[in-house]
Amino acid sequence: EDKVVQSPLSLVVHEGDTVTLNCSYEVTNFRSLLWYKQEKKAPTFLFMLTSSGIEKKSGRLSSILDKKELFSILNITATQTGDSAIYLCAARTGTASKLTFGTGTRLQVTL
Amino acid sequence: GAVVSQHPSRVICKSGTSVKIECRSLDFQATTMFWYRQFPKQSLMLMATSNEGSKATYEQGVEKDKFLINHASLTLSTLTVTSAHPEDSSFYICSARDPGQGSAYNEQFFGPGTRLTVL
Repeated sequence: EDKVVQSPLSLVVHEGDTVTLNCSYEVTNFRSLLWYKQEKKAPTFLFMLTSSGIEKKSGRLSSILDKKELFSILNITATQTGDSAIYLCAARTGTASKLTFGTGTRLQVTL
Repeated sequence: GAVVSQHPSRVICKSGTSVKIECRSLDFQATTMFWYRQFPKQSLMLMATSNEGSKATYEQGVEKDKFLINHASLTLSTLTVTSAHPEDSSFYICSARDPGQGSAYNEQFFGPGTRLTVL
């Protein structure tokens, strides 16, 4: 059975802190690892990672994949209160592009 | 970017009734659509994969007779929760795959979700 695990489950930080969110996966027919941000509604896409060791960046967010260790991290630097959300990672598998989501990390950024 | 809509955004119904949720891809043709369920403070759980013109593929533990999925056109998939009960109350999210984007990009685009409350 495909499995994706995220840690920590929840995190409270002060504005300006840097956070690292973790995602490990055990799936068959792995194709890529995706990160999403979910506020009150459906997830919004952040990154898709297919190759090991290549960092993807978007503003204060960055992510990298380690296909040997079956692991990905999402970094957020200089956090802001608007970063408060649930961050989901998902493993995309097979030809049908099925997504298996992790448990999510609930991030709260306080003033 | 590609847009996916869901209707209704929120529905409240009585126990025993059936509820239909629509998922539409607005500016692309979606050969495949996915239906997810999310309980409070939990992650998204894939319920089924729906391919246009064929029967949906359900994940283990999801009752196909209870959650009827129809994907009659390349822009519309529907999920009908039959004989809904309070334990079916959840956030239902669809996503649509845009094959035109290719495997190098994010293929799935999510709808805004439908919050179902069964009294």
